[in-house]
Amino acid sequence: DAKTTQPTSMDCAEGRAANLPCNHSTISGNEYVYWYRQIHSQGPQYIIHGLKNNETNEMASLIITEDRKSSTLILPHATLRDTAVYYCIVRPAFQGGKLIFGQGTELSVKP
Amino acid sequence: DGGITQSPKYLFRKEGQNVTLSCEQNLNHDAMYWYRQDPGQGLRLIYYSQIVNDFQKGDIAEGYSVSREKKESFPLTVTSAQKNPTAFYLCASSPDRETEAFFGQGTRLTVV
Repeated sequence: DAKTTQPTSMDCAEGRAANLPCNHSTISGNEYVYWYRQIHSQGPQYIIHGLKNNETNEMASLIITEDRKSSTLILPHATLRDTAVYYCIVRPAFQGGKLIFGQGTELSVKP
Repeated sequence: DGGITQSPKYLFRKEGQNVTLSCEQNLNHDAMYWYRQDPGQGLRLIYYSQIVNDFQKGDIAEGYSVSREKKESFPLTVTSAQKNPTAFYLCASSPDRETEAFFGQGTRLTVV
């Protein structure tokens, strides 16, 4: 399975966009990029996923580079409730909930 | 409401005792998963089940056992063979092998 590299921590001002990077240079052609977040002492929450194209939903946008070796999760207007650990995960097709979690990025949104 | 229910939220046990963690889902999902999380770490897969009466070991299955007798239930037993059982345990489910997983709120197990 492809490994991901994320910064350990990041800060963001409330109301500004939070851009969380992820490197996945060994990603294979059939592997998706997934993003989950985990607020302290809760279960992880699914945010978004993509294969090649950029994706957007009500929570966030996912930008995947053309060579698919890196991606960026964008929270367009961060709030204090977005403070959490964000996990970037590369998952082969047809693996369902079999996910390999790294240590993620701890995002702190500050007033 | 539909969802995944893990109970209890906090659990204390004495060393050497087996303990069973409950996970129930009413989402009609075929697949269910158990993960373990240690402080400051990501989640690690213990066991998973793609269908009733079938399950497979994940990356850290030693010292754990599971059963899948009903679609909605996937209990995890932490046995006395598990050397470091104190951890946060998370259950997840997904409708099929293509769809993202949804997680419960976890059970924090402390063995003293």
